[in-house]
Amino acid sequence: SAVISQKPSRDICQRGTSLTIQCQVDSQVTMMFWYRQQPGQSLTLIATANQGSEATYESGFVIDKFPISRPNLTFSTLTVSNMSPEDSSIYLCSVVGDNQPQHFGDGTRLSIL
Amino acid sequence: KQEVTQIPAALSVPEGENLVLNCSFTDSAIYNLQWFRQDPGKGLTSLLLIQSSQREQTSGRLNASLDKSSGRSTLYIAASQPGDSATYLCAVITQGGSEKLVFGKGTKLTVNP
Repeated sequence: SAVISQKPSRDICQRGTSLTIQCQVDSQVTMMFWYRQQPGQSLTLIATANQGSEATYESGFVIDKFPISRPNLTFSTLTVSNMSPEDSSIYLCSVVGDNQPQHFGDGTRLSIL
Repeated sequence: KQEVTQIPAALSVPEGENLVLNCSFTDSAIYNLQWFRQDPGKGLTSLLLIQSSQREQTSGRLNASLDKSSGRSTLYIAASQPGDSATYLCAVITQGGSEKLVFGKGTKLTVNP
């Protein structure tokens, strides 16, 4: 199965700043997703990262707040913009390859002061 | 809208006990169901994937069953060990859902030595 590297693993940020999270896969994958896990909650899909085009966002998530890039089949970034304490969560990248179940990175634990 | 529920929310058992975790989903038109394990501060590890046409899958001491018509799945863990302590998450992909996983809130399992 694909090996996923997500960076940073954790960060503490100031209110109003932005942070970009990177997701690197060791092989080409069909689909890449970004999820959020708020404290005590389950995972919620933010968006599907589409190669070479705009990401597809789920209800309640917008591009201005969570811009996503996917320049190729092995790399994607998620930016959390203008952060507030409510954005404190674990952010996870996941990938789907040919005939493979969905696999997740180790996540980025983000705290906003 | 698909909703996934996991019962119980938390479970504490002595080492060696066999146990069952439950998952239910509201829309039976699923593509597949996946069980994950999440250790504290970590990402998700895929345990078992059951396609909609299958009734069960087994991996070592783990056995997952699926009753699509009733919207239920169970994860059976035999001879539990302290190393099994983690949060177990159930997730489904609804037909036509483009690989989007809908997660339950998880069951936090503690196996006491």
